Amino acid sequence: GQSLEQPSEVTAVEGAIVQINCTYQTSGFYGLSWYQQHDGGAPTFLSYNALDGLEETGRFSSFLSRSDSYGYLLLQELQMKDSASYFCAVRDGGYSTLTFGKGTMLLVSP
Amino acid sequence: NAGVTQTPKFQVLKTGQSMTLQCAQDMNHNSMYWYRQDPGMGLRLIYYSASEGTTDKGEVPNGYNVSRLNKREFSLRLESAAPSQTSVYFCASSESTGTGQETQYFGPGTRLLVL
Repeated sequence: GQSLEQPSEVTAVEGAIVQINCTYQTSGFYGLSWYQQHDGGAPTFLSYNALDGLEETGRFSSFLSRSDSYGYLLLQELQMKDSASYFCAVRDGGYSTLTFGKGTMLLVSP
Repeated sequence: NAGVTQTPKFQVLKTGQSMTLQCAQDMNHNSMYWYRQDPGMGLRLIYYSASEGTTDKGEVPNGYNVSRLNKREFSLRLESAAPSQTSVYFCASSESTGTGQETQYFGPGTRLLVL
């Protein structure tokens, strides 16, 4: 099976940079994804890493190190609207389902 | 283009009652999923359907059944609801890309309370 570990809560102030870490254990590995979920809303896709390194999409970046079974989501220039839960998720096979972490609640204060 | 839709949005059941949660997607995706989300537990997969005509159990299938009615629709049935099934239920769909990435698109959720 798979397991993922991420912090339960992170706090930061507007304009700051925050990093949300995710470590995983899987029998195989087919990529690390990140999803965002605002309170009461549906999860939405943010980013995907299949190879080592950094992927950048606007203010959000995601990093993967397959040798360390570790990844992180980096949010820059934080805004109040970034307050949400962030989930990392892995696939362990070519055609398998996603396993989600328990989520990290990000609280952005003025 | 509505994406993934779910009905109902809210439901209150008494223990032992049955109900079916409906899900439909208009993105022509092959794969569909049902998750439950409980506080502090993240998203847990109940059942999924890799393609029309196939269904498979996920992490927490007990107490649920599913039907992949056609490519668009995937329903979740609770035959005899229990308080432990109080949760928020999300349906999702996806299509694999050539890179191995498989973005899942989620519906708005159904909030179920079992008394």
